[in-house]
Amino acid sequence: QSALTQPASVSGSPGQSITISCTGTSGDVGDYNYVSWYQQHPGKAPKVMIYEVSNRPSGVSNRFSGSKSGNTASLTISGLQAEDEADYYCSSYTSDNTLVFGGGTKLTVL
Amino acid sequence: QVQLVQSGAEVEKPGASVKVSCKTSGYTFTDSYIYWVRQAPGQGLEWMGRINPNSGGTNYAQKFYGWVTMTRDMSISTAYMELRRLRSDDTAVYYCAREGGGSYYFDYWGQGTLVTVSS
Repeated sequence: QSALTQPASVSGSPGQSITISCTGTSGDVGDYNYVSWYQQHPGKAPKVMIYEVSNRPSGVSNRFSGSKSGNTASLTISGLQAEDEADYYCSSYTSDNTLVFGGGTKLTVL
Repeated sequence: QVQLVQSGAEVEKPGASVKVSCKTSGYTFTDSYIYWVRQAPGQGLEWMGRINPNSGGTNYAQKFYGWVTMTRDMSISTAYMELRRLRSDDTAVYYCAREGGGSYYFDYWGQGTLVTVSS
């Protein structure tokens, strides 16, 4: 199973909105609503920000939102803050009954 | 509160095996799958596989078939991941994580275990 495709980096200024894409295939993102997003700060374990495409766990800011269209899922962060600077990974369930991650996106807050 | 506490860092020689433990608490161990994910230095996350703590059934990423074994000990609510025939490119932080709500995502993570493979 090939990794999902994410941009290597995105950037934005405080207060702006950014969107990170996650492109898969009909065997993963396109066929299942089991897409999740993780935030990882340096030296820390990942933290789930979105699950099942657009659900936010309790405690996660409503500035984080998720969506999906066809084979591409997206994570949008609105009202960008300095503490949002981190690496972000998407993940999807696949038709092989496995999971696959995206390559990760480094978010820089300018 | 839910906690996943992993064993400490390991240094192994090429060709050796390593076994990492993941002790859970704060929930019913048999209610949720445990996943294993690794991250090489400066690299992204890689899904290795998962174990059903209730049945012991496993799913592995194809890359790791015949090379990794995931087990559990229900009596102490602990999951294990053993990787054999280690190579230098197996140097990574290995994480265990709990599946959330049966929906193929990870709601709680261990702190990670650094495994260094070096001669």
